[in-house]
Amino acid sequence: DAGVIQSPRHEVTEMGQEVTLRCKPISGHDYLFWYRQTMMRGLELLIYFNNNVPIDDSGMPEDRFSAKMPNASFSTLKIQPSEPRDSAVYFCASSLRVSSGNTIYFGEGSWLTVV
Amino acid sequence: AQSVTQLGSHVSVSEGALVLLRCNYSSSVPPYLFWYVQYPNQGLQLLLKYTSAATLVKGINGFEAEFKKSETSFHLTKPSAHMSDAAEYFCAVSDTGGFKTIFGAGTRLFVKA
Repeated sequence: DAGVIQSPRHEVTEMGQEVTLRCKPISGHDYLFWYRQTMMRGLELLIYFNNNVPIDDSGMPEDRFSAKMPNASFSTLKIQPSEPRDSAVYFCASSLRVSSGNTIYFGEGSWLTVV
Repeated sequence: AQSVTQLGSHVSVSEGALVLLRCNYSSSVPPYLFWYVQYPNQGLQLLLKYTSAATLVKGINGFEAEFKKSETSFHLTKPSAHMSDAAEYFCAVSDTGGFKTIFGAGTRLFVKA
């Protein structure tokens, strides 16, 4: 089975540019999560969706960040304009609601460097 | 609010020695608890999870964890470390709905030959 697929795997961009990260969740999963990982702050939940609807975006750091899920098989995380402090690994993850605790399946991450 | 605290950002053991990674949780409702592992340049993957069926949970690669409600702990152990166990380990908690999972800061495990 294909896992969670993220693109790009690596991106280097200049400050002020728009960055779009893409994610394809595991087919059939009804939850999608975006996490950010940095040395300083660890793994932070940015936003999650259920059945394509954003449920909790309280972790989104500021208005420069936005996320969409236009259909069950695709999501984007956009940063506009990007800043050096946005440099991090961004993980997309998905899960299927079950009665005994959701296992979250992570993609391999998008490594973003803003210079 | 739920949270997890992992004691020790780095743990170093010799190959063949016991691995013990500590995790304490805070939750106002019966929690689901998880351990995930992250190998270099990869995403996290599930090692094991506690869902109230049994307090001693066995996971992949010989790891296990015991849920102790009185101590609000969910420590991860492995009797004998292998070099391939070197990775970062994350404890996580979610509520009974399982909608939102909160991760600890992680513990990096080093295994010495």
